[in-house]
Amino acid sequence: AQSVTQPDIHITVSEGASLELRCNYSYGATPYLFWYVQSPGQGLQLLLKYFSGDTLVQGIKGFEAEFKRSQSSFNLRKPSVHWSDAAEYFCAVGPNDYKLSFGAGTTVTVRA
Amino acid sequence: DSGVTQTPKHLITATGQRVTLRCSPRSGDLSVYWYQQSLDQGLQFLIHYYNGEERAKGNILERFSAQQFPDLHSELNLSSLELGDSALYFCASSQAEGGYTFGSGTRLTVV
Repeated sequence: AQSVTQPDIHITVSEGASLELRCNYSYGATPYLFWYVQSPGQGLQLLLKYFSGDTLVQGIKGFEAEFKRSQSSFNLRKPSVHWSDAAEYFCAVGPNDYKLSFGAGTTVTVRA
Repeated sequence: DSGVTQTPKHLITATGQRVTLRCSPRSGDLSVYWYQQSLDQGLQFLIHYYNGEERAKGNILERFSAQQFPDLHSELNLSSLELGDSALYFCASSQAEGGYTFGSGTRLTVV
């Protein structure tokens, strides 16, 4: 069975500082991996995805993620956080593009 | 605007009632997925339809059903509602290997 763990429930970061959100997955084969962001009262927006190829994936809004098979991880990073990055972030894994399993989410607070 | 339209945005109803949530996928997307988001369960996959056919079922209760129509819009029917069914219900659509595009959700409150 596939599963996703996001170890950090809540992260607070200063504006302009770097951000890293952790994601560990459990899946038997090479998974499809995704990061989504959800702003309050909104649906989820796809930040980036990994299917195969280069293990460093670039996404929208200046985010990137690195797939590390040996660590079963797909951590999300941003070099310099903006106040508008305050939101909830979800990592997801699946055998393909559907029937994804989502992590519990990490809430990011940005302080001035 | 993501291109996935969900109606209504908010719904308040009493226990025991039945409601229908509607979703119109992004133009060109044949797949529609339904997810339930609650504080205690997180995001739970309910069901997936592709071009009118059911493709996969997740943690969907027997009181819930869904269908996708020839024009590709989908409806999620929730019946015999209980307080615990209060949640955000999201619809998403996708093309192959594109990742989901989510709608803004329907917030269901059962009182």
